[in-house]
Amino acid sequence: DTGVSQDPRHKITKRGQNVTFRCDPISEHNRLYWYRQTLGQGPEFLTYFQNEAQLEKSRLLSDRFSAERPKGSFSTLEIQRTEQGDSAMYLCASSFTQGSWHYEQYFGPGTRLTVT
Amino acid sequence: EDKVVQSPLSLVVHEGDTVTLNCSYEVTNFRSLLWYKQEKKPPTFLFMLTSSGIEKKSGRLSSILDKKELFSILNITATQTGDSAIYLCAVFMNYGGSQGNLIFGKGTKLSVKP
Repeated sequence: DTGVSQDPRHKITKRGQNVTFRCDPISEHNRLYWYRQTLGQGPEFLTYFQNEAQLEKSRLLSDRFSAERPKGSFSTLEIQRTEQGDSAMYLCASSFTQGSWHYEQYFGPGTRLTVT
Repeated sequence: EDKVVQSPLSLVVHEGDTVTLNCSYEVTNFRSLLWYKQEKKPPTFLFMLTSSGIEKKSGRLSSILDKKELFSILNITATQTGDSAIYLCAVFMNYGGSQGNLIFGKGTKLSVKP
């Protein structure tokens, strides 16, 4: 399967614990995005990388959220001191960009987080 | 504030009907508009529209963009039960001086009854 993959697919954690999610983009894609989706809403943009550079992170929901893409390949999203309001589907997407032209984003299967 | 508004929020039709889904937007630094289909899994890409008035088609689905009036429509003809899904509209824009942010609408939930 050469699509976007995410791990784990489901995560149940207790409030206050830290969680980390992984995303592996499509191999030739240089952009990687993180979104959060709650029931009845469209995906909400969190942050994105071009190669290893994080170009936008002001939309991260709080300072408990952080993301990395250390080698420009896979990325991790960490949530520290989880709260019940963090329960949601966390989606990763990737795309290819060249110069000023961009192509569509392809989404991974998501990680469903439940905070108890 | 940048926003994407879809209507209707939900729609119930019978197989064979034709439906039109609407998406209007108010964003700064518009780049393109994308349509996605979401069933019980992440969104799958349908269309990307950049230019006004040029219809994109894929089978029974078609879409067009009006950059003057700031809206797009997605048409589905001869609907089938497999078309039942949430259809998401998203606008790709420059954000914070950088390229590369999608803003999604809430989606239109389409239910096609046999």
